[in-house]
Amino acid sequence: DAMVIQNPRYQVTQFGKPVTLSCSQTLNHNVMYWYQQKSSQAPKLLFHYYDKDFNNEADTPDNFQSRRPNTSFCFLDIRSPGLGDAAMYLCATSRDAGQPQHFGDGTRLSIL
Amino acid sequence: GESVGLHLPTLSVQEGDNSIINCAYSNSASDYFIWYKQESGKGPQFIIDIRSNMDKRQGQRVTVLLNKTVKHLSLQIAATQPGDSAVYFCAETGLGTSYGKLTFGQGTILTVHP
Repeated sequence: DAMVIQNPRYQVTQFGKPVTLSCSQTLNHNVMYWYQQKSSQAPKLLFHYYDKDFNNEADTPDNFQSRRPNTSFCFLDIRSPGLGDAAMYLCATSRDAGQPQHFGDGTRLSIL
Repeated sequence: GESVGLHLPTLSVQEGDNSIINCAYSNSASDYFIWYKQESGKGPQFIIDIRSNMDKRQGQRVTVLLNKTVKHLSLQIAATQPGDSAVYFCAETGLGTSYGKLTFGQGTILTVHP
């Protein structure tokens, strides 16, 4: 059974139109991460939550925001998607720092 | 800056052979290492991990070796099967890294021929 669930699996949006990607977990893990992965590249960390504590990577564009309303759910908001934001977006969780991260199967975002 | 890199971007093997995927890291403070397998259209899947107080760890058909002296990590897959075809990433995190932030290597594409 999937433990980190991402919806939708595929998302198409228009240039500049806000989009929200969602992630839920059944593991009750403290930490949730959002990664961006472009073709033939490694995942790149955008930000993460330790419980309700939000931590943004220094090079994450302001266009990307996140919300974590409770332990189980985390959202990635892209306020004004550009063509360069087309990518796979991966959510991951870990029980704590220094523990394995478990990934969902991602949302493939396309920008028209 | 700190980085984790792989020596070989592609590896082709015959079914039944053993595979070895290598990874170099530069952060001497790294103390926890993970190997992930990523199949097309899916998220990275945890394979095996190792902490810096060990130099070898075995799982089912997989072995991870850690050489801290030369900052080198390897993943050995025994009796490689077509289902092992995927991209393999090493990742590391270090003592004091914010919330276990992982640094990923570039990835190795493993292709297993029947």
